[in-house]
Amino acid sequence: AQSVTQLDSQVPVFEEAPVELRCNYSSSVSVYLFWYVQYPNQGLQLLLKYLSGSTLVKGINGFEAEFNKSQTSFHLRKPSVHISDTAEYFCAIQTGANNLFFGTGTRLTVIP
Amino acid sequence: DSGVTQTPKHLITATGQRVTLRCSPRSGDLSVYWYQQSLDQGLQFLIHYYNGEERAKGNILERFSAQQFPDLHSELNLSSLELGDSALYFCASSVVSGGVTEAFFGQGTRLTVV
Repeated sequence: AQSVTQLDSQVPVFEEAPVELRCNYSSSVSVYLFWYVQYPNQGLQLLLKYLSGSTLVKGINGFEAEFNKSQTSFHLRKPSVHISDTAEYFCAIQTGANNLFFGTGTRLTVIP
Repeated sequence: DSGVTQTPKHLITATGQRVTLRCSPRSGDLSVYWYQQSLDQGLQFLIHYYNGEERAKGNILERFSAQQFPDLHSELNLSSLELGDSALYFCASSVVSGGVTEAFFGQGTRLTVV
């Protein structure tokens, strides 16, 4: 069985401060890893993905994530957040063709 | 614009009623996923169809059902609605490229049960 756990349901952070959104997964097979972002009143869109190779992956809007196989984690980071980063962020894993599983989401609120 | 179309955008209905949500995937995408997003439970996977066949079931209630038609559009049917069914329902379609699945989400249908 596979699962995705996002440890924080809500993360408030001040503007220009760094942020880390945590994601852990469980799977008996190898996975691909994704982060999706949902801006207010919109659908989800892909932020970044890890397929193989370098464990540090860069995405859009200055976000990056690091894959840690031993800790089965894929935490999302940004060194300095902006008001426009306020959104809900979803971690997801793919375990096979068309088998995509999402975490329940982390709501990031950037405080001016 | 993701290319995935969901209708209607908003739906208000009474308890006990039945509604149908519609999803048109991106052109050429064979997979359709349905998700329910509520404040208390986050994003919950409901069901996955691939080329007309059910592939996987998640936390979908027996009162809910779905199907994917030959033209690949999908419908999610919700019956005997309860207040707790009020949520945002998302449809996503996906493409597999080089073994990697990327999902494209519609804007969602906001269902309010009163």
